[in-house]
Amino acid sequence: AQTVTQSQPEMSVQEAETVTLSCTYDTSESNYYLFWYKQPPSRQMILVIRQEAYKQQNATENRFSVNFQKAAKSFSLKISDSQLGDTAMYFCAFDREGSQGNLIFGKGTKLSVKP
Amino acid sequence: EAGVAQSPRYKIIEKRQSVAFWCNPISGHATLYWYQQILGQGPKLLIQFQNNGVVDDSQLPKDRFSAERLKGVDSTLKIQPAKLEDSAVYLCASSLVGVGYEQYFGPGTRLTVT
Repeated sequence: AQTVTQSQPEMSVQEAETVTLSCTYDTSESNYYLFWYKQPPSRQMILVIRQEAYKQQNATENRFSVNFQKAAKSFSLKISDSQLGDTAMYFCAFDREGSQGNLIFGKGTKLSVKP
Repeated sequence: EAGVAQSPRYKIIEKRQSVAFWCNPISGHATLYWYQQILGQGPKLLIQFQNNGVVDDSQLPKDRFSAERLKGVDSTLKIQPAKLEDSAVYLCASSLVGVGYEQYFGPGTRLTVT
């Protein structure tokens, strides 16, 4: 069975600094998708970034980028120039090909951006 | 574009009572998901619909939970009877059909069972 592990329950970063959130996963599949979702306090969960396993190039979305290491089964999220609005729970999620969208989530990392 | 709507936002019930949650997905999204998010954990899929058919309900406690999606649009999730361990946020999400698509989440319903 696939599992997703986020080893950092909480992290904090100063505004304008860079922070990296870790995620590892376990699967025997070769084709799959990985996601980072953000859940701000009392607000809806939204997609931050998405990576397809068959693409070697790391995904980027403005200040957000990933370091995808397929052999190591690692998928970390880097947030550059952190902003107060980045304060949220961040969830790593796995979607295997053929699951039709059945996401498996990690337990999340609570990120606090301090002024 | 209107997002995923859920109601109620909060619900407090006593154990052994019943409760129902409603979800209206984004227009055009054939796939609808119900997740349970217990405090301190990531969401766990309860049931997934494609149009009005069930794709995956392997983690739905079928002795007490039921869900339906009539006409392939709105959906309701029911718990009867509720247990203390059902206290959680129930999230509804929708997406286009297929793997790898972004899921759009609603605000959730926070259920407290006393």
